[in-house]
Amino acid sequence: GIQVEQSPPDLILQEGANSTLRCNFSDSVNNLQWFHQNPWGQLINLFYIPSGTKQNGRLSATTVATERYSLLYISSSQTTDSGVYFCAVDGRDDKIIFGKGTRLHILP
Amino acid sequence: DVKVTQSSRYLVKRTGEKVFLECVQDMDHENMFWYRQDPGLGLRLIYFSYDVKMKEKGDIPEGYSVSREKKERFSLILESASTNQTSMYLCASSRYEPSGNTIYFGEGSWLTVV
Repeated sequence: GIQVEQSPPDLILQEGANSTLRCNFSDSVNNLQWFHQNPWGQLINLFYIPSGTKQNGRLSATTVATERYSLLYISSSQTTDSGVYFCAVDGRDDKIIFGKGTRLHILP
Repeated sequence: DVKVTQSSRYLVKRTGEKVFLECVQDMDHENMFWYRQDPGLGLRLIYFSYDVKMKEKGDIPEGYSVSREKKERFSLILESASTNQTSMYLCASSRYEPSGNTIYFGEGSWLTVV
């Protein structure tokens, strides 16, 4: 089945810094989503981005489907950005497969 | 807004007990999913369903079964709970779209098997 790899696994930054999270996938996909899991376990949709670039405030994402990767950018990090970021891909078999996540710690 | 509701947030069960985890979505989505999340392993797909009474195995179905008698409800069943099933369980739903499925999650159920 399709493989999804996220990097880095852990990231510690000072408040105000910028960060880039990466998601690589092993096969063509119908869709790709980025999620943020808050400290209470809730998974929140950030972007639905099968290709191209989207921006939402301090967050933006770019997916290059032909090269099988996606990037999530966080600018001017805040402590509330802490948590785990997952990418998930929708393969051709209707399964939605997740990467193992990037754990982000923003220090005040 | 899409709402996916998991009936129990925190459960403690004994080894060998039968456990039901219930999930309801209110947006008439065709697809529903059960994942478990463990440290260092991310989210792993247990079962999914793309229609009433239909089910498909995910990557780790052993020890679990599911039931989907109504479109809005998808139940995960642990026939005989074991300690290695202690985990957080996440239910999700999505609407099928030709361009791909956007998935929405419930708040999670923390299950401890003692």
